[in-house]
Amino acid sequence: GAVVSQHPSRVICKSGTSVKIECRSLDFQATTMFWYRQFPKQSLMLMATSNEGSKATYEQGVEKDKFLINHASLTLSTLTVTSAHPEDSSFYICSARVGVYNSPLHFGNGTRLTVT
Amino acid sequence: DAKTTQPTSMDCAEGRAANLPCNHSTISGNEYVYWYRQIHSQGPQYIIHGLKNNETNEMASLIITEDRKSSTLILPHATLRDTAVYYCIVRVAGYNQGGKLIFGQGTELSVKP
Repeated sequence: GAVVSQHPSRVICKSGTSVKIECRSLDFQATTMFWYRQFPKQSLMLMATSNEGSKATYEQGVEKDKFLINHASLTLSTLTVTSAHPEDSSFYICSARVGVYNSPLHFGNGTRLTVT
Repeated sequence: DAKTTQPTSMDCAEGRAANLPCNHSTISGNEYVYWYRQIHSQGPQYIIHGLKNNETNEMASLIITEDRKSSTLILPHATLRDTAVYYCIVRVAGYNQGGKLIFGQGTELSVKP
């Protein structure tokens, strides 16, 4: 089946630094990937849609200058949390679509970010 | 977006069928119903999806009412490993939406021995 890999699975960083999270589609090409964030005991919140070769589309209320998304190839999208603060501590999850737009999304196992 | 309504939590005895309901009364004709589950601290796992016909795969069955305003996910023989939050999602239609999924609060299913 379709596999989406995220790296790292956990990261701890100091306030003010930047953190990059990678999302890879291992056995398929993904022209579209999605980034979500999940706080404890809450549901997943869509942050942005990442399109290969073009700018990401951000959901309302998500700061595009703080959460930089790059989708430079058909198998890799990255999310960079810039100038991280403790309130950015969260579970970040990526997903990728296999095939046409009604195809299921497959999710990575998430990255637990802790900002100290 | 068509919104979905699910019970906050449900219990099920191990070995019995788990029937998880979902209401989506404002669904449009070209919007699919998707089911995912999330085990604690993991990414969501795709289960099944459908448009109007009932669907079955190795994990579950999806029953969609004729008017498409509600659906039921059936896990035929629940095990302890099926304990998870189950999300019913009506997918945003239209190619320009990219196929994104908007998650609601889901149903926390607890399978008990």
